[in-house]
Amino acid sequence: AQSVTQPDIHITVSEGASLELRCNYSYGATPYLFWYVQSPGQGLQLLLKYFSGDTLVQGIKGFEAEFKRSQSSFNLRKPSVHWSDAAEYFCAVVDLNRDDKIIFGKGTRLHILP
Amino acid sequence: KAGVTQTPRYLIKTRGQQVTLSCSPISGHRSVSWYQQTPGQGLQFLFEYFSETQRNKGNFPGRFSGRQFSNSRSEMNVSTLELGDSALYLCASSLAPTVAAGGNTGELFFGEGSRLTVL
Repeated sequence: AQSVTQPDIHITVSEGASLELRCNYSYGATPYLFWYVQSPGQGLQLLLKYFSGDTLVQGIKGFEAEFKRSQSSFNLRKPSVHWSDAAEYFCAVVDLNRDDKIIFGKGTRLHILP
Repeated sequence: KAGVTQTPRYLIKTRGQQVTLSCSPISGHRSVSWYQQTPGQGLQFLFEYFSETQRNKGNFPGRFSGRQFSNSRSEMNVSTLELGDSALYLCASSLAPTVAAGGNTGELFFGEGSRLTVL
C-alpha cells in the first residue's frame, strides 16, 4: 500500500542550529512531493514542492528539500532555525500513476530551545 | 485576497447527531478538498470536488458526505456521529481539479479548520 513515513514524531533543536526532518515514501513511480507546516491552531501552509527537474528545491522561510529517488526520500532542511519555526511539519505525496489522492505523513512536531 | 474560510471554527455535538461544516474557497478556485486530522491517524483525505462533481474519495464510511455548490462553496456532512469523529476538519482549495492535473496550479490552500468534539 502507498505510504508516507515521517520517522520522527518529535524533534527538539536549539535556536540557530541546523535542522533536518526525514520523509520516506513507498511508491512505484516518481510522485509529486510536498512539505507543509502547521502552526498551532492554524491550517496547513505549503513550504515547498517537487514535481520534476532539479532535485534540490527551495521553499519559503529558508527551507529546502532534496528528492533522492534511490532512497525514496524527501528530507526537509534548514541551516539555522528560528523560534518561530516551532510547528508541526507534514510530508505529503501524490502518486500520479494511481488515484491522484494526496497522502500525508503523520507529522513531525518541531520544538525549539532558546 | 481572502483565504479559505471554514465555519464554524468550533462545535460540540453528541453521539448520534449530525453535523454540517462549510468551506468557502479562495475566489476563483473551483476545487475543494476535505481532510480529517486526528492525533492518532494524522491527516486523512476525505473527498475532493471540482465544479460540483466529486472527483476523488478517501476511505471513509458513507456517514461522511459532501457537496459543492455552483459558487464553489462546499459543505461536508457527518451523520450519526461517533466519538471517533472528534477531529479537526480541514478544507483546502485550489485552481486545478487535482494536483496531478494542475501541477503547480494544483497547490492546496488550507483553511484554519473546524474543530468538532463529539461527546
